[in-house]
Amino acid sequence: GAVVSQHPSWVICKSGTSVKIECRSLDFQATTMFWYRQFPKQSLMLMATSNEGSKATYEQGVEKDKFLINHASLTLSTLTVTSAHPEDSSFYICSAPRPSSVYNEQFFGPGTRLTVL
Amino acid sequence: SQELEQSPQSLIVQEGKNLTINCTSSKTLYGLYWYKQKYGEGLIFLMMLQKGGEEKSHEKITAKLDEKKQQSSLHITASQPSHAGIYLCGADLDDYKLSFGAGTTVTVRA
Repeated sequence: GAVVSQHPSWVICKSGTSVKIECRSLDFQATTMFWYRQFPKQSLMLMATSNEGSKATYEQGVEKDKFLINHASLTLSTLTVTSAHPEDSSFYICSAPRPSSVYNEQFFGPGTRLTVL
Repeated sequence: SQELEQSPQSLIVQEGKNLTINCTSSKTLYGLYWYKQKYGEGLIFLMMLQKGGEEKSHEKITAKLDEKKQQSSLHITASQPSHAGIYLCGADLDDYKLSFGAGTTVTVRA
């Protein structure tokens, strides 16, 4: 079946540094990918929609200058957390839909745990 | 925005017993997804419902969507330790975006 991978699976960084997270669709092309954030004991919150060939669309309250998204190819989207601070520590998950004749399958990556010291 | 309410927030069930999780939407659902997550890990797709009155089953898990397409339930029969985890319902917004409920944490006691 379809697989979405994320790299790295976890990262620890110092406050003020930038961190890049990759999301790849391994066996299908994804013109759209989604980035979610999950805080401990909470559900996933949609941050932004990554669009191949165009700018990302951010949800209300998400700073686009802080969370830079680049959809470099049909199989890769990257999320860069710029000038990270401890409050950015979270679990980041990407997803990629694969439209089918039955319904729109949505595949999630395994997530990236970011800890900002 | 689409708001989903899940209930209960958490539940503890004895192994072998049944359990039900509910997901209620403030708006008519175009599509309702059920996922399972172990905390700190990715989401595992369980089922997707689209039609009013639809019911799907996989192994010991059954999901239903009501006729009005505003409420869904997930039922697990004869629960096992492998069923422990966080269950999330997600509503299909425009263009494949998903809005998730807060999740239900399931603990299965041997």
